[in-house]
Amino acid sequence: GEDVEQSLFLSVREGDSSVINCTYTDSSSTYLYWYKQEPGAGLQLLTYIFSNMDMKQDQRLTVLLNKKDKHLSLRIADTQTGDSAIYFCAESRDSNYQLIWGAGTKLIIKP
Amino acid sequence: SQTIHQWPATLVQPVGSPLSLECTVEGTSNPNLYWYRQAAGRGLQLLFYSVGIGQISSEVPQNLSASRPQDRQFILSSKKLLLSDSGFYLCAWSGDDPYGYTFGSGTRLTVV
Repeated sequence: GEDVEQSLFLSVREGDSSVINCTYTDSSSTYLYWYKQEPGAGLQLLTYIFSNMDMKQDQRLTVLLNKKDKHLSLRIADTQTGDSAIYFCAESRDSNYQLIWGAGTKLIIKP
Repeated sequence: SQTIHQWPATLVQPVGSPLSLECTVEGTSNPNLYWYRQAAGRGLQLLFYSVGIGQISSEVPQNLSASRPQDRQFILSSKKLLLSDSGFYLCAWSGDDPYGYTFGSGTRLTVV
């Protein structure tokens, strides 16, 4: 299986919170990342977290890291239609910071 | 500031024709460069990466090749396209730092 796993789809109502989950297998991961890809576009870095941190918050985004369980989540508060996208989780392990990617979670917003 | 340019944005090519996609980076030196393919808007498949001029690592044996003739230029090529080469191709760069990758805007390739 993949080293980084994500659910393929998440459907939420506009205005609710979205929580996108990711699990990884390598305990030597140093940094973990969330990227957003809008339709027909490249990937955009949303945020990243160092592995010795538990949480990072940036406006509507909250990243939670449970290193013991190797679980990373991205919470989007007050989800808007503009948040519709594919969200990729990624980890870096080595000194070159090369990234290992999840398959992406497609966030669907219901009116 | 650093920028990455990828072109063309869309391309329709017949089976058996050659391919050349170009990616250039500005505002940084000695970047790590990557070519990814994304099928049907899903996961990313790493095709090639390069840590320096003339240094190319291939992740997946296939009908494609890559070259890095200059420090900030990365080219994806094929001599004869197959239908299965259709997809969304993304170029990216990174530094030797933890700040992640920066992606180009992608090329939608359709082989007909």
